[in-house]
Amino acid sequence: GAVVSQHPSRVICKSGTSVKIECRSLDFQATTMFWYRQFPKKSLMLMATSNEGSKATYEQGVEKDKFLINHASLTLSTLTVTSAHPEDSSFYICSASKDSNEKLFFGSGTQLSVL
Amino acid sequence: DQQVKQNSPSLSVQEGRISILNCDYTNSMFDYFLWYKKYPAEGPTFLISISSIKDKNEDGRFTVFLNKSAKHLSLHIVPSQPGDSAVYFCAASAGNEKLTFGTGTRLTIIP
Repeated sequence: GAVVSQHPSRVICKSGTSVKIECRSLDFQATTMFWYRQFPKKSLMLMATSNEGSKATYEQGVEKDKFLINHASLTLSTLTVTSAHPEDSSFYICSASKDSNEKLFFGSGTQLSVL
Repeated sequence: DQQVKQNSPSLSVQEGRISILNCDYTNSMFDYFLWYKKYPAEGPTFLISISSIKDKNEDGRFTVFLNKSAKHLSLHIVPSQPGDSAVYFCAASAGNEKLTFGTGTRLTIIP
C-alpha cells in the first residue's frame, strides 16, 4: 500500500525557535497533502490543505504566518511552526491523497513539545 | 457544529466477542465514509471505507454498515482481539471535500 513518511517523529524545542516537519509520499505522487493537529481526547483538526505548486488553504482560526506550509513537489510537503510556544505543543499529522475522494494515507505523526 | 459524531467515547468488549462502533452524521452531502484506527502517539491508519452507493463493505474481521436514511454507520469487528484496542475514528467526505472526522471511540478489548 501507499506509504507516507513523516519526520521527525518527536521533537523538543525551546520557546521561540522554529521547527520544520516533513511529510513525504514514498511511492506515489500526492496531489494534495493535509496537515492536522490533534489535541488530547479530541479528534484531528484540519489545519490546512496544500496542493503542489500553489499556496496552502488554511482553515479558519489557523495562523498562516505561524504555521508555514510549503508543498514544493508532488512528494513533499513541509510544515514549519515558527516561533514556537508551549501552547503549540501537540501531535501533528500529515496525510496525502493520490487524487480527490481517494482514501487518505497518513504519516506516523510528529509529537512536538515546546519548553 | 459537529457534522460527524461518535457518541460513545469509550467501549470495552470481551476478547472473541463482537465490537460495534457507531458513527452518526448530519450532512446529507457526505458520500464517502471511512474508519481509521489510531494507537497512542501514532498517526491514524486507514481501516475500511464505504461509498454511499453501498450499504455494507466487508474486509476480513471488519465490516462497515451504512444506513443512509438514518445517517448512521457502524463498524463491526468480529472476533475482537487484544490488538484491536485503539481509538477508532470515523470520517466522511462530500465529493472532493476534505474529510470530516468524528471525535473517536476508544475501544478496549478485555482478554
